[in-house]
Amino acid sequence: DAGVIQSPRHEVTEMGQEVTLRCKPISGHNSLFWYRQTMMRGLELLIYFNNNVPIDDSGMPEDRFSAKMPNASFSTLKIQPSEPRDSAVYFCASSPGLAVAPYEQYFGPGTRLTVT
Amino acid sequence: GENVEQHPSTLSVQEGDSAVIKCTYSDSASNYFPWYKQELGKGPQLIIDIRSNVGEKKDQRIAVTLNKTAKHFSLHITETQPEDSAVYFCAAYRRSNYKLTFGKGTLLTVNP
Repeated sequence: DAGVIQSPRHEVTEMGQEVTLRCKPISGHNSLFWYRQTMMRGLELLIYFNNNVPIDDSGMPEDRFSAKMPNASFSTLKIQPSEPRDSAVYFCASSPGLAVAPYEQYFGPGTRLTVT
Repeated sequence: GENVEQHPSTLSVQEGDSAVIKCTYSDSASNYFPWYKQELGKGPQLIIDIRSNVGEKKDQRIAVTLNKTAKHFSLHITETQPEDSAVYFCAAYRRSNYKLTFGKGTLLTVNP
C-alpha cells in the first residue's frame, strides 16, 4: 500500500515568496495532520483535519500560514509570504480517524523547506 | 497543555548492548503513549505503543513500560544492532483533544 505522499521533497525559495506544500494521505484514512520539525522546537503540530474539516489550528504560527483539505485525498499547507524562520521540515501524517484510532499516525517523508 | 520531556538527547551503545530512553509527561489525562523511530531523511515511523491501562508491552527486542502514578514511560531495546541507529521520539496522546505531544527526541547510535 502506498503511504502518505508529500511533494515537493525539497523546496528552496526566497523570502517573500509563496510556498505550497502538498500531501496525499493514506487511502481510507479520515484524519490528516500537518507538523513542523526544527532542531530547536522538535515536532510541532500545526493543524489537523477530520473528514476534511479543520478541527484544531491552534498550532499555526501566524496568519501567513494556511491549510486546506478540499477532498479526502489531498491537502495543502501554504505560507505566504515566506520568511527565513519558516525553514524547517514539514510533515504530513494521516490516521484512520478520530473515532477509530486517532493516535495511530502515519507520517509522510516530509518536505524540507529552505527560505533564503 | 501537555509537556513531554525526553532523556537522554543522545545515546551511544555498542552493538549487542541494551539501550533505554526515558520520558515524562505532565497531563494525567493522557492515555496513550507511542514511540516513533525516525531514520535520516524519512518521516517518523510508529514502532510500538502502550495504553494507559497497561504497565508493560514487548515486541521482540523492543519493550515499553509505563508508570502512570509517576507519569513516566520508557523504551527498552535489547541486543542492539547498527540498524537500530536513528532518532527515537516518545509521545503522549490526550483523547480529549486528539493531540499527540512529542518529546524532543533521542539520537541513538549503535557502534559495530
